[in-house]
This record gives sequence, C-alpha cells and structure tokens, in this order.
Amino acid sequence: KAGVTQTPRYLIKTRGQQVTLSCSPISGHRSVSWYQQTPGQGLQFLFEYFSETQRNKGNFPGRFSGRQFSNSRSEMNVSTLELGDSALYLCASSPGTGASDGYTFGSGTRLTVV
Amino acid sequence: AQSVTQPDIHITVSEGASLELRCNYSYGATPYLFWYVQSPGQGLQLLLKYFSGDTLVQGIKGFEAEFKRSQSSFNLRKPSVHWSDAAEYFCAVGITSYDKVIFGPGTSLSVIP
Repeated sequence: KAGVTQTPRYLIKTRGQQVTLSCSPISGHRSVSWYQQTPGQGLQFLFEYFSETQRNKGNFPGRFSGRQFSNSRSEMNVSTLELGDSALYLCASSPGTGASDGYTFGSGTRLTVV
Repeated sequence: AQSVTQPDIHITVSEGASLELRCNYSYGATPYLFWYVQSPGQGLQLLLKYFSGDTLVQGIKGFEAEFKRSQSSFNLRKPSVHWSDAAEYFCAVGITSYDKVIFGPGTSLSVIP
C-alpha cells in the first residue's frame, strides 16, 4: 500500500514568487492536513480538507491556501513568498479525521526561500 | 488557550535503559491524545493513540503511554531503549474528533551506546 506522497521533495524559490506543493494521500483516505515545521515554531497547523471541503484552518495569512480534488489529492499554494516561509511542509492523511484516526505523514517538502 | 507542553527539550539515555517522555495538555475535557516519532529528515510516524477506555495504551516499537486525567498528562514510556529509538518525539492533541490536531514542541532523544 503506497504511503503519503509529497512532491517535490526540495524546492528553492525567490522572495516574491509563488509555489505549489502537492500531496497524494493513502488510497481511501479522505482527509488531508498540512503542517509547517520550523525549528523555532515547531509544527504549526495550516489547514485540513475532507471531501474537497476545508474543515479546519490554522492561523496563517491569506497567502497560504489549499485545495483538495475529487480524488483526495491536495495542493497547497503560497503566494508572495517571504524568507520566513522557509520550512518543511508536511502533508498528512487520515481515513476520517486526524483527531479521531491519527495521521499518516508524508516525508515533506523542504522549501527554501532566498 | 489550548496548549500541549513537553517539558523536556532534550533527553539522553543509555541503550537498554528505561525511558519516559512527558506530555501535558491544558484542555478541560479528555481530548484525543497521540504520540508521534520523527526520524531525521523524515515525516512523522504514529506511535500510539488514546481516546477512551483503558488508560494504559500500547503502541508500536515497544512503546506505551499512560493517560492520567488528574494530572492532564499522557506520558510515553519504553522499558528498554534501543539505539534506533534516537529521534524527535511529539505529543499531539485533538479536542474533538473534528478538531485540528495540535502538536507539542517535541522532545529530542539521544541514545548512548
């Protein structure tokens, strides 16, 4: 059974650019959540999608957005990149919700903004 | 405000020794509780979870955790640590089954051969 797949694994972008990260959940999982991980702030919740609907949202500016497709694959987009957006972005999937079922995480996308 | 604390930033233990990692949360009701482990450069792996019932839960890799309502704690334990257990450990909480999951700051575990 394939795990959670995140692409790309590494990304270098310039300030002001935008970026799109992709996540393919485990087959049959309907919920996808995104987290930002940095040494200073730890794991910060971005958003959670379930059946193409955003169910929960964290405290991030509107530059951070996401969506989920009918096949449960998810993308997150960050516009007008800032140096502080450099982080490991983790995608996690679950059959129902992360809180009730627990997550299966991908290996992450390492974003570096220069 | 809702919070999850892990008092120990870093712990070093000798291989074969026992381990206990602490986790406290600040919610009124019994939340959904989890422990995850992250190896360097990797995503997180679920070790165990607690929702209700028996307060001592068993997980993968020989780990167990005990929920103590009176102390708002959910500590992770392992009787004998292996060198491969060196990693970052995160406690996580969901207030309800439909709520976001909040992670603690993590405890870094080093194992001395």
